Amino acid sequence: QSALTQPASVSGSPGQSITISCTGTSDNVGGYNLVSWYQQHPGKAPKLIIYEVKRRPSGVSNRFSGSKSGNTASLTITGLQAEDEADYYCCSYAGSKIFVVFGGGTKLTVL
Amino acid sequence: EVQLLESGGDLVQPGGSLRLSCLASGVILSGYAMVWVRQAPGKGLEWVSTISGSGGGTFYTDSVEGRFTISRDDSKNTVYLQMNSLRAEDTAVYYCAKVGGANDLHYWGRGTLATVSS
Repeated sequence: QSALTQPASVSGSPGQSITISCTGTSDNVGGYNLVSWYQQHPGKAPKLIIYEVKRRPSGVSNRFSGSKSGNTASLTITGLQAEDEADYYCCSYAGSKIFVVFGGGTKLTVL
Repeated sequence: EVQLLESGGDLVQPGGSLRLSCLASGVILSGYAMVWVRQAPGKGLEWVSTISGSGGGTFYTDSVEGRFTISRDDSKNTVYLQMNSLRAEDTAVYYCAKVGGANDLHYWGRGTLATVSS
């Protein structure tokens, strides 16, 4: 049982937009503006795509955006492309002892 | 280009030990916190351990507390994870990652597979 709750799967057609939610508590998502999102293709290492709720690392497409309201963070991908098909994990800082907690992951299928 | 390279994963019997290493290139690790994250086969990501930039602070998830030890040797630009009393449920790909300024995991290695089985 993951500390953060994500939908197991989402899907969309090329060109469409999708949003993945990530629900935590005031001890993690709601308590800090330190939510990050990771993209993982099969057999590959995770890659940071969003940090500090809505900031994108250099080189990440602006089709990826993040937001947060209360205890729920969201990742939105616009203009879906075949290469976006992957697993997506949210992550939140949870204090100095626990450090970070992850969501269970969401499998994105591009139809 | 920042690269992290893990090594040390192997097949080990329950109760055995492994020492994982994470060698960095393209970046000096000194002063940066580092973490180990694992992913069991077909499962999600799980934070395992963190070491502070100074090495003076170490933190563990409850399931490995007392069995795993994280350490660093900045002269070798390397972080380690000593894993003792291994259990079947420790079987996973272990990734090291460099912590960014917003406690994000900014750079990841490719991972090393540790398999605990008799």
